[in-house]
Amino acid sequence: QSVLTQPPSVSAAPGQKVTISCSGGSSNIGNNYVSWYQQLPGTAPKLLIYGNNRRPSGIPDRFSGSKSGTSATLGITGLQTGDEADYYCGTWDNNLSTAWVFGGGTKLTVL
Amino acid sequence: EVQLVQSGAEVKKPGESLKISCKGSGYNFATYWIGWVRQMPGKGLEWMGIIYPGDSDTRYSPSFEGQVTISVDRSTTTVYLQWSSLKASDSAMYYCARSGIASAEDGVDVWGQGTKVTVSS
Repeated sequence: QSVLTQPPSVSAAPGQKVTISCSGGSSNIGNNYVSWYQQLPGTAPKLLIYGNNRRPSGIPDRFSGSKSGTSATLGITGLQTGDEADYYCGTWDNNLSTAWVFGGGTKLTVL
Repeated sequence: EVQLVQSGAEVKKPGESLKISCKGSGYNFATYWIGWVRQMPGKGLEWMGIIYPGDSDTRYSPSFEGQVTISVDRSTTTVYLQWSSLKASDSAMYYCARSGIASAEDGVDVWGQGTKVTVSS
């Protein structure tokens, strides 16, 4: 059972928009920055969004992040078949000496 | 280029020991946390533990305390994950990853390519 809660799966058609939620608490999302990770099949996770809403160099602006209170959201517009992947949210948890926690992951299917 | 390069896939028998590695390059190795992340087949990411190469401060998630050992060799900028007695349930993909030390702001920004560990009799 992950500390951060994500929907197991979402789906949408090519060209559409999808959002993925990540819910936590005051010890994690409520008082820390949120990041998002994309894991394409058979590959290592990759940082997609950091600092709640910033994109690393090379990440297209179709990907966006937001945070409100103890929840965060990843948005993807103009869906492409290449976006099919698992998406994870992550943040620090102030109750953990190891700091980092991840959500359980969301499988995005582009129909 | 900042990168973490992990050692290759391993196939072991239950009860055997194992040490896998993660070599950092292209940045000041001593000033970032390096963590190990387990991903069991078809499952999500689990943060196992973390080490700060600057002073070898090491911390383990409760689920992994006593099950694995994380260590560092600053002279070769390499972090290790080891088991003294493997179990079949240790079969998984293991990733090392880099994190800043001050806050979660910069995310886990660099990941190794992964090391697949298979434990089978």
